[in-house]
Amino acid sequence: DTGVSQNPRHKITKRGQNVTFRCDPISEHNRLYWYRQTLGQGPEFLTYFQNEAQLEKSRLLSDRFSAERPKGSFSTLEIQRTEQGDSAMYLCASSEGSLNEKLFFGSGTQLSVL
Amino acid sequence: GDSVTQMEGPVTLSEEAFLTINCTYTATGYPSLFWYVQYPGEGLQLLLKATKADDKGSNKGFEATYRKETTSFHLEKGSVQVSDSAVYFCALRGLSGGSYIPTFGRGTSLIVHP
Repeated sequence: DTGVSQNPRHKITKRGQNVTFRCDPISEHNRLYWYRQTLGQGPEFLTYFQNEAQLEKSRLLSDRFSAERPKGSFSTLEIQRTEQGDSAMYLCASSEGSLNEKLFFGSGTQLSVL
Repeated sequence: GDSVTQMEGPVTLSEEAFLTINCTYTATGYPSLFWYVQYPGEGLQLLLKATKADDKGSNKGFEATYRKETTSFHLEKGSVQVSDSAVYFCALRGLSGGSYIPTFGRGTSLIVHP
């Protein structure tokens, strides 16, 4: 068990470019969450998956944001046509999916949009 | 919707001082409550949790009691150490729009001086 892995750790991009982040959860975990965190704030929920099904996506920040988990294992978060306001830490977490679940977080991907 | 309110930081204490970090919440139904901690350079990790009213969660000398009547889950430790310096996040997991979504507070930074 190597924990939740996120790649890349840092991403610098120019405004208008597309970016994609990857998350590899703990192998036996069937739930996977994406959060965004800005400086001085707590994690802000974006979306989550139960296996390959995306159960909640209404809180994705705009239609430029999308996420996939094609085989119920790793997940990707894509931001199209990035804006400077997208600069933030993007966190992934996974859990076993029990009712009172404990989340295991990755170290995050820091996005800077120039 | 669900929300968590934490006291603003930073909280600055001397070693062996008593710690309280206040947390209150708004949620429908009976959420589970959590404290997560983020040490410098690391991802968030669960510190303790409580799943029903009057439950006390405890770990590493930290304690928090689920108070439904005051909708609070304050974090306490009798004697802090320099190694407790970190950011502490209060969180709840409640039913929102048919999904159980973990919601986080903004975090409270704790600085402990020798």
